[in-house]
Amino acid sequence: EAQVTQNPRYLITVTGKKLTVTCSQNMNHEYMSWYRQDPGLGLRQIYYSMNVEVTDKGDVPEGYKVSRKEKRNFPLILESPSPNQTSLYFCASSLTAGRSTQYFGPGTRLTVL
Amino acid sequence: GENVEQHPSTLSVQEGDSAVIKCTYSDSASNYFPWYKQELGKRPQLIIDIRSNVGEKKDQRIAVTLNKTAKHFSLHITETQPEDSAVYFCAEYNFNKFYFGSGTKLNVKP
Repeated sequence: EAQVTQNPRYLITVTGKKLTVTCSQNMNHEYMSWYRQDPGLGLRQIYYSMNVEVTDKGDVPEGYKVSRKEKRNFPLILESPSPNQTSLYFCASSLTAGRSTQYFGPGTRLTVL
Repeated sequence: GENVEQHPSTLSVQEGDSAVIKCTYSDSASNYFPWYKQELGKRPQLIIDIRSNVGEKKDQRIAVTLNKTAKHFSLHITETQPEDSAVYFCAEYNFNKFYFGSGTKLNVKP
């Protein structure tokens, strides 16, 4: 089944404790992206990747890191989480950038205490 | 960054009526405009998209129009049904990045 998966789905952590949210797609998509969703703000792009080893900042990259060592995986890293990073996070992928359907993962609800 | 303005923030219609959601953008270089539907507790899903070389696109009860001169695009849903109730997001694609509107909560009353 073609899909985008994220793990974990829910996470409660404390300020400063490094964490990684994994994202994987099995559709051989080139473009992958991370978004955060906050009430009243829609979705905001954190980082995106055009292909393996090609990543760039989105609109709200501060406090986040990503890597794209393999085409299927695009983990999101919070080196030192803070309470303002409490949010709902979505990973997404598409075959190409800006021309094909973007498929979203199920979301990760993160709470930073 | 880019600013996509979406209106209205909430919309309530009677079943069978039409619903229209509008978005405006600022950069004329934007060339791809998708619309997503997000049901409560679910992930966003693409419902229709349009590229900048097209003025209108239709898929059954859903249509999108694009006015490049005025830099706005709209989602039209005809013959609304209760299952259309959800939050709808517009987005624009510009230089490898996506910018989303703040969302419209559509409520279709039976």
